[in-house]
Amino acid sequence: QSALTQPASVSGSPGQSITISCTGTSSDVGGYNYVSWYQQHPGKAPKLMIYDVSNRPSGVSNRFSGSKSGNTASLTISGLQAEDEADYYCTSYASSSALYVFGTGTKVTVL
Amino acid sequence: EVQLVESGGGLVQPGRSLRLSCAVSGFTFDDYAMYWVRQAPGKGLEWVSGISWNSGSTDYADSVKGRFTISRDNAKNSLYLQMNSLRPEDTALYYCAKDRRTGGLGGSAFDIWGQGTMVIVSS
Repeated sequence: QSALTQPASVSGSPGQSITISCTGTSSDVGGYNYVSWYQQHPGKAPKLMIYDVSNRPSGVSNRFSGSKSGNTASLTISGLQAEDEADYYCTSYASSSALYVFGTGTKVTVL
Repeated sequence: EVQLVESGGGLVQPGRSLRLSCAVSGFTFDDYAMYWVRQAPGKGLEWVSGISWNSGSTDYADSVKGRFTISRDNAKNSLYLQMNSLRPEDTALYYCAKDRRTGGLGGSAFDIWGQGTMVIVSS
């Protein structure tokens, strides 16, 4: 099972919006509405930011939103803030050799 | 407070075994599937294994299938990962993670994570 494809890095200025893509196949992203997104600050455990494509857990800022079209899911961060600088990973439930497959990860830099 | 605390990591020679544990508190452990996810130094996340609430279903990444065994003891609120025939490429920080939904394995997300335990496989 290959990792989902994410851009290695995305950057933006404070207040701007950025979007991170996550591309898979019909066996994972395209086949199920079980895409989730995780934020990971250096030296910290991942934190769930979005589940089931577009749902936010309690306590997560509404500046974070998720969507999906075909085999590509996206995470949008609006009103970018310094604290959003972190690594972001998508993951999807999959029907092939791995139950879940993670994305390659995206480093978000706030300029 | 919901808490997952991993232990059991360390330095081990290739070919040897190690058993990781994850002690859980703050929620009804036997309602939820649980998972292991690892992260090699400087690399991304990799799903390793999962187990359903009642141990009735388990699953593994191809990279560890046949070498790793996931288990749980609901009476002790604990999750385990038995790792045999370890390889240098198994070197990573191993996280345990809780399923967001109650019930079976898969089709969900990981809503609570531990801080991880480091495994280094080297001679």
